[in-house]
Amino acid sequence: AQSVTQLGSHVSVSEGALVLLRCNYSSSVPPYLFWYVQYPNQGLQLLLKYTTGATLVKGINGFEAEFKKSETSFHLTKPSAHMSDAAEYFCAVSHSIITGGFKTIFGAGTRLFVKA
Amino acid sequence: DGGITQSPKYLFRKEGQNVTLSCEQNLNHDAMYWYRQDPGQGLRLIYYSQIVNDFQKGDIAEGYSVSREKKESFPLTVTSAQKNPTAFYLCASTALAGQPFTGELFFGEGSRLTVL
Repeated sequence: AQSVTQLGSHVSVSEGALVLLRCNYSSSVPPYLFWYVQYPNQGLQLLLKYTTGATLVKGINGFEAEFKKSETSFHLTKPSAHMSDAAEYFCAVSHSIITGGFKTIFGAGTRLFVKA
Repeated sequence: DGGITQSPKYLFRKEGQNVTLSCEQNLNHDAMYWYRQDPGQGLRLIYYSQIVNDFQKGDIAEGYSVSREKKESFPLTVTSAQKNPTAFYLCASTALAGQPFTGELFFGEGSRLTVL
């Protein structure tokens, strides 16, 4: 069964510091991996995704993530945090299902705080 | 602009009442999903539909019902049988054909239901 584990429900960084949000997954098939961001009382927006090919993927707002198959990880990073990055971040894995569609499994989320 | 519209954004309900949350999309997406979000638990799948007039239970379908009479619409009814309905509800959609099959989800802005 597929699952997603996000290490740390809360992460706090200073403005300008490195952001590192950790995500590990389990999947019996090659996964599609995603990071989504959610601002208060809003829906989720896609930050970036890994499907196939290059293992380092770049997303919006300066974020990037690296797919490491040997470590079953897909950690999210940003070199320099900005106040506007304060939000909740979700790692997710999608997989195909018997009926021909697919399902997405989400991690519990990590809330990022950015200190001035 | 294309997107997903959820309404109402905020809803209050008395115990014992059914309530219906609306979800409409103009993205021409085949699949639609309903998720429930509770603090610290990520997103949990309630129901999903891959085609008109067909839908499947997700992981927490008890106390909920859906319909898919039109491709654009996927309303969710929270029934009085749902023991703890206070939550943030998110509708999402994705295409299943005509483009690379990655599982990327597009979300609405959410509906916050509070039971008084």
